[in-house]
Amino acid sequence: DVKVTQSSRYLVKRTGEKVFLECVQDMDHENMFWYRQDPGLGLRLIYFSYDVKMKEKGDIPEGYSVSREKKERFSLILESASTNQTSMYLCASSFVSGDGYTFGSGTRLTVV
Amino acid sequence: KNEVEQSPQNLTAQEGEFITINCSYSVGISALHWLQQHPGGGIVSLFMLSSGKKKHGRLIATINIQEKHSSLHITASHPRDSAVYICAVLRNSGYSTLTFGKGTMLLVSP
Repeated sequence: DVKVTQSSRYLVKRTGEKVFLECVQDMDHENMFWYRQDPGLGLRLIYFSYDVKMKEKGDIPEGYSVSREKKERFSLILESASTNQTSMYLCASSFVSGDGYTFGSGTRLTVV
Repeated sequence: KNEVEQSPQNLTAQEGEFITINCSYSVGISALHWLQQHPGGGIVSLFMLSSGKKKHGRLIATINIQEKHSSLHITASHPRDSAVYICAVLRNSGYSTLTFGKGTMLLVSP
């Protein structure tokens, strides 16, 4: 069964902490994405990557960075967590054509 | 104005009813996804459409490219269909990022 795996289902972090969210896919997808989901705002794109070591900003990149050192792994980094980054974070991957879009089960992050 | 609009926002139904959720979009697309999200759960892709109609069990999705409109139908609805249904479009330019509608929350009562 094809999978996008996010390392944590729930996380609680303190304001100012550096937070790493990890995502791994086993489908040999070129594209990987990080979205956040908030009530009333829906899903919004933070960053994406179309190849190893390549990254592009999405709609809301401020306060975030990403890393893609290997094809199967895409990390989202909150440099200094703030309470307005409390959200559900979803990783996804796809082929370069957009086929095979697959989502992870999400990480609910609470920043206190 | 959002590029992807869904209606209705919320929908309640009795078990067995036929359900329709609508999606309109204003950009050029190469494909449209219908996604399902159960409470507290991850997102599952139900359909990816670029033309016509697709059917999977009790779910049917249609798309009219000229009118920039898609519908998701659920026949003989069941309480386990209760979820948020999200329409998302893949633009026909640039990278393969999705633009999402705000979702339709469906509650099917026994």
